[in-house]
Amino acid sequence: DAGVTQSPTHLIKTRGQQVTLRCSPKSGHDTVSWYQQALGQGPQFIFQYYEEEERQRGNFPDRFSGHQFPNYSSELNVNALLLGDSALYLCASSLAQVRATEAFFGQGTRLTVV
Amino acid sequence: GDSVTQMEGPVTLSEEAFLTINCTYTATGYPSLFWYVQYPGEGLQLLLKATKADDKGSNKGFEATYRKETTSFHLEKGSVQVSDSAVYFCALSDLKTGNQFYFGTGTSLTVIP
Repeated sequence: DAGVTQSPTHLIKTRGQQVTLRCSPKSGHDTVSWYQQALGQGPQFIFQYYEEEERQRGNFPDRFSGHQFPNYSSELNVNALLLGDSALYLCASSLAQVRATEAFFGQGTRLTVV
Repeated sequence: GDSVTQMEGPVTLSEEAFLTINCTYTATGYPSLFWYVQYPGEGLQLLLKATKADDKGSNKGFEATYRKETTSFHLEKGSVQVSDSAVYFCALSDLKTGNQFYFGTGTSLTVIP
C-alpha cells in the first residue's frame, strides 16, 4: 500500500500565478482533506471532499478551490498566488462518516511564492 | 468553535528524561483526540488517539489520557530517546464537523545524548 501520495514535492511560483497540487488517497479511503501548514505552525484545514463534492470548508478565500475525481484522487488549485500562500500543503485521506477515523497524511507539497 | 491549545516549545531534553507536552482543547461536541508526530521533511504520522473520556491512548512508550473534566490530553513518555526528536501536534476531530482536524501549533522536541 503506497499510502497517501502527493505531487509535486516542491514548487516555486511567481506572485499572481496559479498552481495545481495533486493527491492520491490511501487505498480504500473515500475522503480527501487539504491542509495548509505555514512554517512553525500547525496545519490549517482548507476543505474536504467526499463523493466528488466539497463537504466542509475552512476559513480560506475562494482563490482556493478543489476537485475530487471518481477514483477519489483530488486536486487543490490556488489562483492569484500571494507571497503569504507559501507553505507546506498537506493532503489527508480518511473514511467518511466514521467516528474517530484516523487521517493519513502525505508528505506534502512545499510551495514557495516569489 | 473547536480549537486546541498546545504547550509552546521548543523543548530540549537529555536522553532518558521524562517528557510531558501539555494540550488542552475547546469543543462544542464530543470530539476524539489525537497526537500526531512530524519528523523533518515528512508528513504527519498518527502517534496515538483516544475516543472517549478516561480513555488512554498509547504507542511506542508514549501515553495520553482523555480528561473531559479538565479538557486536556497531555502527552507523556517516561524515558525519551534521541530518535523521538520531532514536532508533536495535538489535534481533535468530531464527526459533527465532518471529521476535519483542528491542530495545535506543535511542540518541537530535541533529545540530546
